[in-house]
Amino acid sequence: DAKTTQPTSMDCAEGRAANLPCNHSTISGNEYVYWYRQIHSQGPQYIIHGLKNNETNEMASLIITEDRKSSTLILPHATLRDTAVYYCIATYSGNTPLVFGKGTRLSVIA
Amino acid sequence: EPEVTQTPSHQVTQMGQEVILRCVPISNHLYFYWYRQILGQKVEFLVSFYNNEISEKSEIFDDQFSVERPDGSNFTLKIRSTKLEDSAMYFCASSEVWVSNQPQHFGDGTRLSIL
Repeated sequence: DAKTTQPTSMDCAEGRAANLPCNHSTISGNEYVYWYRQIHSQGPQYIIHGLKNNETNEMASLIITEDRKSSTLILPHATLRDTAVYYCIATYSGNTPLVFGKGTRLSVIA
Repeated sequence: EPEVTQTPSHQVTQMGQEVILRCVPISNHLYFYWYRQILGQKVEFLVSFYNNEISEKSEIFDDQFSVERPDGSNFTLKIRSTKLEDSAMYFCASSEVWVSNQPQHFGDGTRLSIL
């Protein structure tokens, strides 16, 4: 699985969009990009995943660059409940072991 | 929305004792996993299980660990003789098998404290 690099921490004002970047410059053509988050020692929560195209669901949007070397997770209107550690993971299949890094600690500020 | 449930939420055990952590995966999922997270550290993969056998395991998953699907709904992790360093949050996850890019869904974990 390709290595991913994320900023250690970010702040976002409540109600604003939170844009979380992830670098995966060594990603191969058939590796997906998955995003999970972990709220205060709860279990990791799946957010979204994509291969090439941008994706959107009820939680977030995922923008993947054309060369697939980086992506951005967008929470369109961050709330205090979105304060969590966000993990970007590149993997060939959702059924393979997930390798969690340290992620980005997002703090949403009132 | 269906979810993975884990019991107990907190388990306190004396060192050297056996412990069994229980998980009920999402009902139509056939791939099961255990991960652990030592306090302040990363989430680490332990083992995956499909079709009644281990698919993959990490170096952490040594002979002291075993997994079992004793019936149609439960998935268990047993630690035979617990050590102080086994203290951690243990997360169970499950995923569908028919479509390879389906995500893993996690339970809220069991906090295991070894005294």
